[in-house]
Amino acid sequence: EAGVTQFPSHSVIEKGQTVTLRCDPISGHDNLYWYRRVMGKEIKFLLHFVKESKQDESGMPNNRFLAERTGGTYSTLKVQPAELEDSGVYFCASSQVGELQETQYFGPGTRLLVL
Amino acid sequence: AQSVTQPDIHITVSEGASLELRCNYSYGATPYLFWYVQSPGQGLQLLLKYFSGDTLVQGIKGFEAEFKRSQSSFNLRKPSVHWSDAAEYFCAVVNNAGNMLTFGGGTRLMVKP
Repeated sequence: EAGVTQFPSHSVIEKGQTVTLRCDPISGHDNLYWYRRVMGKEIKFLLHFVKESKQDESGMPNNRFLAERTGGTYSTLKVQPAELEDSGVYFCASSQVGELQETQYFGPGTRLLVL
Repeated sequence: AQSVTQPDIHITVSEGASLELRCNYSYGATPYLFWYVQSPGQGLQLLLKYFSGDTLVQGIKGFEAEFKRSQSSFNLRKPSVHWSDAAEYFCAVVNNAGNMLTFGGGTRLMVKP
């Protein structure tokens, strides 16, 4: 069974540009989460989808970040325009609905560097 | 608000030595606790989790963790470390809704030959 995949693995962009990160969850997982780790800080929750609906987006830092999950399969996270402080590692995770305190399975992350 | 503290940012142990990574949490209710590991170039892999029951939890790769409510701790242990255990380890607690993991800052483990 394929795990959570993320694309690209690395991205280097200039301040003001737009970047779109993609996450493909484990097949059949309705829950999809985004987290990020800014340099030297903890991994922080960004948001949670259940199928195509945003269940909790309390961790989204500002309106430059837009997450979508059309069709309830893969998800994208767009940063527009990117700022220097957006640099970090963006993780995606997925889990099954119905399991008590569902275990979240993580992807390898996308390393974003904004210059 | 929930929080997790991993007091040790870096730890170096010799191969074959025992290991204990510390984790302290702050949570108002019964915590659901996790340890994840991130090897270089890899994603976060679940080592073990505690939901209820036996406070000593066994995980993969020979790791175990003990939940101590009186100390608000969930320390990770391994009796004999292998070079392949060099990685970064994260302790986490999940919120009541079961959707948001709060992570500690991570402990980077180095293993000396």
